[in-house]
Amino acid sequence: GDSVTQTEGPVTVSESESLIINCTYSATSIAYPNLFWYVRYPGEGLQLLLKVITAGQKGSSRGFEATYNKETTSFHLQKASVQESDSAVYYCALGDEGNRIFFGDGTQLVVKP
Amino acid sequence: EAAVTQSPRNKVAVTGGKVTLSCNQTNNHNNMYWYRQDTGHGLRLIHYSYGAGSTEKGDIPDGYKASRPSQENFSLILELATPSQTSVYFCASGDINSGNTLYFGEGSRLIVV
Repeated sequence: GDSVTQTEGPVTVSESESLIINCTYSATSIAYPNLFWYVRYPGEGLQLLLKVITAGQKGSSRGFEATYNKETTSFHLQKASVQESDSAVYYCALGDEGNRIFFGDGTQLVVKP
Repeated sequence: EAAVTQSPRNKVAVTGGKVTLSCNQTNNHNNMYWYRQDTGHGLRLIHYSYGAGSTEKGDIPDGYKASRPSQENFSLILELATPSQTSVYFCASGDINSGNTLYFGEGSRLIVV
């Protein structure tokens, strides 16, 4: 079946450092699934951070970006300079042709001031 | 603003009892989903729906039933609750027009004793 694997947390970085959270996917039901990053900030609900529905494209939001790489089946989340307010749990997700959405286990990001 | 509301937010049930978790969305989205999330893990898909009258099995449907009586409402039913169903349950609606972006409720914490 379809699945997503992402960096196991927690990931701890210092403010202003760069960040990468790895995400790889396996899609058996669809050649080019929709790919998403969702985020849960402390005390808040799960919400969309960014999405890409076309292979080869890049999505960006709040200084984060992720590129849909169909060759390596990856969708890594990157940010050049993190802030303390970026501390949250990040989930990579895949959408299949049946409109089902599959999530990774989540990566907790801790940004030290 | 898109809105998905779940009830109850917290529930303690006895083993063998019946539990109904309700979800209401005002987004007019066709797709709705029920996930469970256990501590330290990602979201696992239980049931989903493409519209009123439709229910489909997700990855872990055993022990759960779903009901979609209208566009707005989607319920998850545990006919005979077991301690293994202790978890946090999330409902979401999906916007097909934006690549099936999911909008989540705040979650229902269920403890089965």
